[in-house]
This record gives sequence, C-alpha cells and structure tokens, in this order.
Amino acid sequence: QSALTQPPSASGSPGQSVTISCTGTSRDVGGYNYVSWFHQHPGKAPKLLIYEVTKRPSGVPDRFSGSRSGSTASLTVSGLQADDEGDYYCSSYAGSSGINVVFGGGTKLTVL
Amino acid sequence: EVQLVESGGDLVQPGGSLRLSCAASGFTFSIYWMHWVRQAPGKGLVWVSRIRGDGRDTGYDDSVEGRFTISRDNAKNTLYLQMSSLRADDTAVYYCARDVVLGSGSLENWGQGTVVTVSS
Repeated sequence: QSALTQPPSASGSPGQSVTISCTGTSRDVGGYNYVSWFHQHPGKAPKLLIYEVTKRPSGVPDRFSGSRSGSTASLTVSGLQADDEGDYYCSSYAGSSGINVVFGGGTKLTVL
Repeated sequence: EVQLVESGGDLVQPGGSLRLSCAASGFTFSIYWMHWVRQAPGKGLVWVSRIRGDGRDTGYDDSVEGRFTISRDNAKNTLYLQMSSLRADDTAVYYCARDVVLGSGSLENWGQGTVVTVSS
C-alpha cells in the first residue's frame, strides 16, 4: 500500500481539464512544501512536471499546474492532449529521519 | 546536458547480491543529492534510498534498510547501490535520479533504468 493516495484512473477529452488528487498526512504532504508530480509513458523513465508544490521545471508547459490544500495536493492538466496519456505519480518529502520520500500509487490518465 | 546511465542489473538468485551503478555527466555531481527509485513490473514508483552530495547523509526505505547500501564516488561521478540478501519482491527496474532541491525528492533528471530480476 502506497503512502500517498491517488485515484487509480482519470480521463478527459482533448482540450478539457482534469485534476488528479494526492492525499497524504501532516507528516508528508501537509508538513512540507516539497510535493512533486511526475508523468510516465509506458516503458519510459518518469518526467518531473511539478516540484515544490507549484513550480514547473524549465520546458514544462503551463498547462500543468500544482496546488495543495491541507494534506491533499492536486495536479491540474489543462488543454488535454493525446500525449498527456500515461501514468501520473505524486511524491512528497517525509522528513530527514526514517523514510525520506514517499510516492503515491499512480493515476492512469486516459485521453478519450 | 544532464545524463544518468544505470548499469549492473541482472538475474540473481534469492539471497544473492548485486551492485548497481549510475554514471552521471553534464552537471557538478558532487553537490547534488541523488536517489534510487524502483518500479516492480506493472506497479508504481517506490523510493528506495538517497545520499547527500558529500556522501555523509543517507536514507532508506524500510523495505531495504539493512540490506541495501547507497554510496557514491564523486571523483568518478558515479552513484552506487549495493544490494544484498535479495528477495523476489526486489525484482524491479531501478532508476537513479538527481534531486534539484536539497534531498527533498524533487527528481528532475532520471536514468533509463536497469532491470533486476530475483529468481531461482
């Protein structure tokens, strides 16, 4: 069982927006400003989309945005495109002792 | 350009050992935290371990604590994962990744992965 909870699936039509949630606790998502989101195509390495809850690395389009309310973080993908299909994972820093980083179980996004 | 290239994955028997390597280039390796993340077949990403740039601070997931050891050789720009007492549930693709924010898990660059299969 993953430390962070994500819905197993999500879907939307081209051009629409979809939001994926990631629920943790005050010991991870709610306790640190270090939530990240990754996109993974089948058989490929993950790609960082969002870090520090809301920041986008260079080259990631502003169609991808992150937010957080309490211990639940969210990723919104606007203007859905066919290439946005794949698996999305959230992660969070969880402190300097014990387990340091936790991932969500992943959400499979389908573009209809 | 940042590049991370893993190697060392193999088929190994339960109880066996293996050392993974991750060759880094395109950035000042010694100042970045580095991580190992694994993905079992058909499953999600699981954080395994992290190490600070100077090698003096490390962390592990509970599932590998005491069996895996992360290390680095900054002179060779290489990250390692020494794996021992391997079990079937260690079977996975192992990725190394560069952390761009102080060991927080902000993993901006990933290697292509190396496959570890634990089976008799």
